[in-house]
Amino acid sequence: DGGITQSPKYLFRKEGQNVTLSCEQNLNHDAMYWYRQDPGQGLRLIYYSQIVNDFQKGDIAEGYSVSREKKESFPLTVTSAQKNPTAFYLCASSGWDSVGYTFGSGTRLTVV
Amino acid sequence: SQQGEEDPQALSIQEGENATMNCSYKTSINNLQWYRQNSGRGLVHLILIRSNEREKHSGRLRVTLDTSKKSSSLLITASRAADTASYFCATAAYGGATNKLIFGTGTLLAVQP
Repeated sequence: DGGITQSPKYLFRKEGQNVTLSCEQNLNHDAMYWYRQDPGQGLRLIYYSQIVNDFQKGDIAEGYSVSREKKESFPLTVTSAQKNPTAFYLCASSGWDSVGYTFGSGTRLTVV
Repeated sequence: SQQGEEDPQALSIQEGENATMNCSYKTSINNLQWYRQNSGRGLVHLILIRSNEREKHSGRLRVTLDTSKKSSSLLITASRAADTASYFCATAAYGGATNKLIFGTGTLLAVQP
């Protein structure tokens, strides 16, 4: 089945650590996105990529980094520079012939 | 910055009733989409309406778009307990990357059995 997979489902980070969230899709979509969702809030765009080896900052890119070396993969690194990383992170993808985004099931990151 | 804002923030209705959620946005759009999110899960695409459309239907869903007022509404008819979820509108800006969406703040719908 085609879909988008995020891992892990839950992640705990110590202060000062970098952590990487995985996002893989087998939908042959060109574009991929990372959003952050805080409790009771909407989604805020962190980074997006429309083609391999290219990505753009969203509204809240500070403290995050991404790479897009393969069409299928768009990992997000939450660096120690992100002062308030506890949130629910959602990855999505879209293709030229798709209607709307396909979302992964999310990763819940908690700072301990 | 958030493009859209939904109201109400929360809505509680009885099974069988209709639920209406509204979305307002700030800039010109290419299209507007509605998504559903069950608690702790990813979002699921429900329906897309283009800027030159005024109304669209899909099953029990009816979406309207008023570009002069920069607003949209989502109507769910004959609601069921399984419709309990958060609902988000999202806009693709006119002239921008048409696949880049900005999401609103969401409406939490609770359907009581």
